[in-house]
Amino acid sequence: DTGVSQDPRHKITKRGQNVTFRCDPISEHNRLYWYRQTLGQGPEFLTYFQNEAQLEKSRLLSDRFSAERPKGSFSTLEIQRTEQGDSAMYLCASSSQGEGLSSYEQYFGPGTRLTVT
Amino acid sequence: AQKVTQAQTEISVVEKEDVTLDCVYETRDTTYYLFWYKQPPSGELVFLIRRNSFDEQNEISGRYSWNFQKSTSSFNFTITASQVVDSAVYFCALSEALGSGGGADGLTFGKGTHLIIQP
Repeated sequence: DTGVSQDPRHKITKRGQNVTFRCDPISEHNRLYWYRQTLGQGPEFLTYFQNEAQLEKSRLLSDRFSAERPKGSFSTLEIQRTEQGDSAMYLCASSSQGEGLSSYEQYFGPGTRLTVT
Repeated sequence: AQKVTQAQTEISVVEKEDVTLDCVYETRDTTYYLFWYKQPPSGELVFLIRRNSFDEQNEISGRYSWNFQKSTSSFNFTITASQVVDSAVYFCALSEALGSGGGADGLTFGKGTHLIIQP
């Protein structure tokens, strides 16, 4: 069973450019989450999907951020017109929903480190 | 609003010592879920435990143990006979109303405790 994968692992971009990150969850997981982590802080929740439906968005998710999960499998997070304050580690997690002991346990990917210059 | 406080920013102990990481949480819900994650220097968050609010039994897994006390809103984590490989940042997290679809399913994390185990 493969874990959560994210691509790319590192991204350096210039201010004002658009960037897109991809997350592939654990195959049987129907829930997918995006978080952002800055240096010395805990991860902050951005948004989550149940299958293809985006069910919650944090107020941290400005209009420049958009996330999709078109077929209920992989997800993309796009940041438009990047700003230096967007520099952070972007983490993806997935979980299953149900009655099993492991339900709702979120398993994280390795993250995409974004640097905006 | 939910909040998680990890007051210990950094703890340094010598190998084989026992160490306890504190976690205090705030929530308005009566049903909630608490988690601990480990983030080693490699950066990937590793799931350690999930505890439901209606289950106050303490749990032990090898050298790890967790003490959940609703009366003090605490969910502390103890490592017995610490090892150098335990060095990492440890995060406590909280989620309300898991599975309700009504929101608040994302985890609220504390700022983490950086644990340093010296040989």
